[in-house]
Amino acid sequence: QQQVKQSPQSLIVQKGGISIINCAYENTAFDYFPWYQQFPGKGPALLIAIRPDVSEKKEGRFTISFNKSAKQFSLHIMDSQPGDSATYFCAASNGVAGANNLFFGTGTRLTVIP
Amino acid sequence: GAVVSQHPSWVICKSGTSVKIECRSLDFQATTMFWYRQFPKQSLMLMATSNEGSKATYEQGVEKDKFLINHASLTLSTLTVTSAHPEDSSFYICSANSGSSYEQYFGPGTRLTVT
Repeated sequence: QQQVKQSPQSLIVQKGGISIINCAYENTAFDYFPWYQQFPGKGPALLIAIRPDVSEKKEGRFTISFNKSAKQFSLHIMDSQPGDSATYFCAASNGVAGANNLFFGTGTRLTVIP
Repeated sequence: GAVVSQHPSWVICKSGTSVKIECRSLDFQATTMFWYRQFPKQSLMLMATSNEGSKATYEQGVEKDKFLINHASLTLSTLTVTSAHPEDSSFYICSANSGSSYEQYFGPGTRLTVT
């Protein structure tokens, strides 16, 4: 059972465009929603994360939008660059900080065309 | 920022042998470490969770006698793949959490190839 559903599976965006990746969850106990960026042959790197007490968080060109009632959250990459080409994973966890597991989405392979 | 290292970055071993992978938190103490397995073009699959000084908690379907996990200190966890077979070939990734925040920081991964 996939606890976090992610779409699209792949995404192609022109340089300078906006990349949008969406995730949905069912477990209302989830209270931490991170996004990870992974390049081929490397481990995932924490990109940005949000808690459910805010609806949006922005760090540079990366923004998380969070809709608690719809149980959805999304990653927006503004002014996408070829260097952003990677696989992006959303995730969710619940409970005491650090004690519980991350449930990962299936990943989105982003390609930014120059 | 928090840094997690893994060693080795890649390893080739013969079928039937055992291989040990180390995961270290370099600039923080990790009360909890996680081990994941990732097949090509797929998501991360959690194998087990380990807390320092305690036995690891394995996910359903993961053989605890085959994948031995030791978390002997607050900065080191090891995964030993015993009697490795070609189907164990995969990308193994660890992550660590300090216990004082929600963030999990991942290592660079270890590519295991069993011939």
